[in-house]
Amino acid sequence: DAGITQSPRHKVTETGTPVTLRCHQTENHRYMYWYRQDPGHGLRLIHYSYGVKDTDKGEVSDGYSVSRSKTEDFLLTLESATSSQTSVYFCAIGGYNSNQPQHFGDGTRLSIL
Amino acid sequence: AQKVTQAQTEISVVEKEDVTLDCVYETRDTTYYLFWYKQPPSGELVFLIRRNSFDEQNEISGRYSWNFQKSTSSFNFTITASQVVDSAVYFCALSYAGGTSYGKLTFGQGTILTVHP
Repeated sequence: DAGITQSPRHKVTETGTPVTLRCHQTENHRYMYWYRQDPGHGLRLIHYSYGVKDTDKGEVSDGYSVSRSKTEDFLLTLESATSSQTSVYFCAIGGYNSNQPQHFGDGTRLSIL
Repeated sequence: AQKVTQAQTEISVVEKEDVTLDCVYETRDTTYYLFWYKQPPSGELVFLIRRNSFDEQNEISGRYSWNFQKSTSSFNFTITASQVVDSAVYFCALSYAGGTSYGKLTFGQGTILTVHP
């Protein structure tokens, strides 16, 4: 395992509630990413981080925010969850070189009713 | 903009058949990386291979082989003598290799491979 832990693994919540997903790594990697997986779309990048407090938007960032206050933790927040954000969320970490293969956490299955 | 297309949504084969998963990509970058990931029914994503755009040599790893052709912008994946354990969703992905890429991946839609006993 690449030392990535996502929490929670499963969550069901209601529309309009805030949700925070956590990604914790023990590899001391600089790069961290959040993707969402939906049928017919593969995985799409939501936000990424290239260092502590250094984050940027990905392809599908609307409705999401992130924070990285320390190397090992990368948080994804849905400020006001909507049903369209029902998905499986994956965290990934990159190597010391940004072009090294990314390794993924086990995913968080999020259902918004 | 980068784009990865896996035209085969689902493939079904019988054990011991060979199967090829197609991947076609679009990019304006001259330096890039191509990847394949496997997602078994348990849901985790497993890294299989990374190929640099400057290296067009085919690669073989056991029953797996990859054919990279820049002329057709394709990076196809072949499983020889398929087994039931190969049943999974397979993703092709692309990343710009320059310093500003930050390793961001663009994924294809995925191909669901089912190998029947």
